Amino acid sequence: QVQLQESGPGLAKPSETLSLTCAVSGASISSTSHKWGWVRQPPGKGLEWIGTFYYSGGTYYNPSLKSRVTISEDTSKNQFSLRLSSVTAADTAVYYCARLGQFDPNVFDYWGQGTLVTVSS
Amino acid sequence: EIVMTQSPATLSVSPGERATLSCRASQSVSRNLAWYQQKPGQAPRLLMYGASIRATGIPARFSGSGSGTEFTLTISSLQSEDFAFYYCQQYNEWPPTWTFGQGTKVEIK
Repeated sequence: QVQLQESGPGLAKPSETLSLTCAVSGASISSTSHKWGWVRQPPGKGLEWIGTFYYSGGTYYNPSLKSRVTISEDTSKNQFSLRLSSVTAADTAVYYCARLGQFDPNVFDYWGQGTLVTVSS
Repeated sequence: EIVMTQSPATLSVSPGERATLSCRASQSVSRNLAWYQQKPGQAPRLLMYGASIRATGIPARFSGSGSGTEFTLTISSLQSEDFAFYYCQQYNEWPPTWTFGQGTKVEIK
């Protein structure tokens, strides 16, 4: 059973960097069969894709966030991370990590439960 | 940038009735279209991919159609557990980008 679990501070200050980690069990992030990504959802709003990576295949970011986002992976811990710099209140959201590729290489099939990050001083 | 537009924003339907949700892409996405269901406080759940293929465990009352720029998700006979938000999502080949529609809320009439 594939499981993804987000973790990280629930509060970030404006202008600082938001950092989250997604721990994966039941699957390997170094598998070339799947991609891994981050999606966020501001309170009461819709879903926004942040970025996707696949092992040995590159990392791709939402153009609107590209200048502030970094996704990295730690295969020794089977986890991947999100860093979003220069945050503002507009970055307040539930952040989800997800896997792509069980059914189709480009759809999100397994999701973490999500973690709320509030940007406030 | 491909923009996905869903309509209506809210759909009021009685249990047992049919619900039809629309998703329009600003340019052709072929059949690279997925649908997700999300209930309050939960992560999204994959319903359909490839525009018309049900994911594992999704009931047959859910069906998808369309290609190019116009897509439809139909729920043939709404059950109580189907009242939720629904999002479409496209994938663009190059550069690789994923875009969600703004969502449709299906509520009890």
